[in-house]
Amino acid sequence: GAGVSQTPSNKVTEKGKYVELRCDPISGHTALYWYRQSLGQGPEFLIYFQGTGAADDSGLPNDRFFAVRPEGSVSTLKIQRTERGDSAVYLCASSLGLAGEQFFGPGTRLTVL
Amino acid sequence: AQTVTQSQPEMSVQEAETVTLSCTYDTSESNYYLFWYKQPPSRQMILVIRQEAYKQQNATENRFSVNFQKAAKSFSLKISDSQLGDTAMYFCAFFATSGTYKYIFGTGTRLKVLA
Repeated sequence: GAGVSQTPSNKVTEKGKYVELRCDPISGHTALYWYRQSLGQGPEFLIYFQGTGAADDSGLPNDRFFAVRPEGSVSTLKIQRTERGDSAVYLCASSLGLAGEQFFGPGTRLTVL
Repeated sequence: AQTVTQSQPEMSVQEAETVTLSCTYDTSESNYYLFWYKQPPSRQMILVIRQEAYKQQNATENRFSVNFQKAAKSFSLKISDSQLGDTAMYFCAFFATSGTYKYIFGTGTRLKVLA
C-alpha cells in the first residue's frame, strides 16, 4: 500500500483479555517501530524491528507485551491479560533503514474496560 | 538519556497571524535529527519539518520554519500565515543517528487557529 496501515482502527476489550494489534508497513521498509501514546502525551517507544528480529525491545512495559514480525513485513503487537492502564493509541511506523525517516500509521485506539 | 521538553501545552493564534512553538532538548549526542510532527484528530502523525544537527542553516518548508539553536539545545517552530487547517497537536521529536534509532517525543502543544 501507499502508507503504513494498522488494524483494527479501534479495539474495545475487557480487563484480563488478550488482544492483537496489526501493522502493515510500507512495502520495502526494513525497519518497523511500535509506539504507545497515552492521553495527553507524546508517543513513547516500545520496540523496533530490523527485518525479522527485535533489535530493541527496551520500551515494552512488562512481559504482558510481546511483538513479532515473522516474515520481516507485517508485525503484530500482542498484549496478554490487558489492564485498564493499557488503554492508549498504539502507533506503528516504518522506515527504509534504521536511520531513515519514520512514516507513521493512523494508530489503533485500545480501550480496556 | 535524551529528553524533549515542550513547555506550552496549548496555544492559539488568529488566522493569518504568526505563531511560534517552543521545544528544548537534552542530549550528549553530536549527530542527530530534530522533527516537528503535526497530529490532527485523525491521529495520523504528519511530518512538518526536519532539521539535521550538522546543518547550521534553519530548515524551511513553505509557511513553516525553524529556529535551531544547537548550543542552547532549542528547536522552535514558526508557522506563518496560520490557516484553520493548522489546528492540531504539534510534537517535537529527537532522533539520534547512532545507537538508539528511536524517536523521543515531547508532550506536545495543542494549537488552535481562530477564525
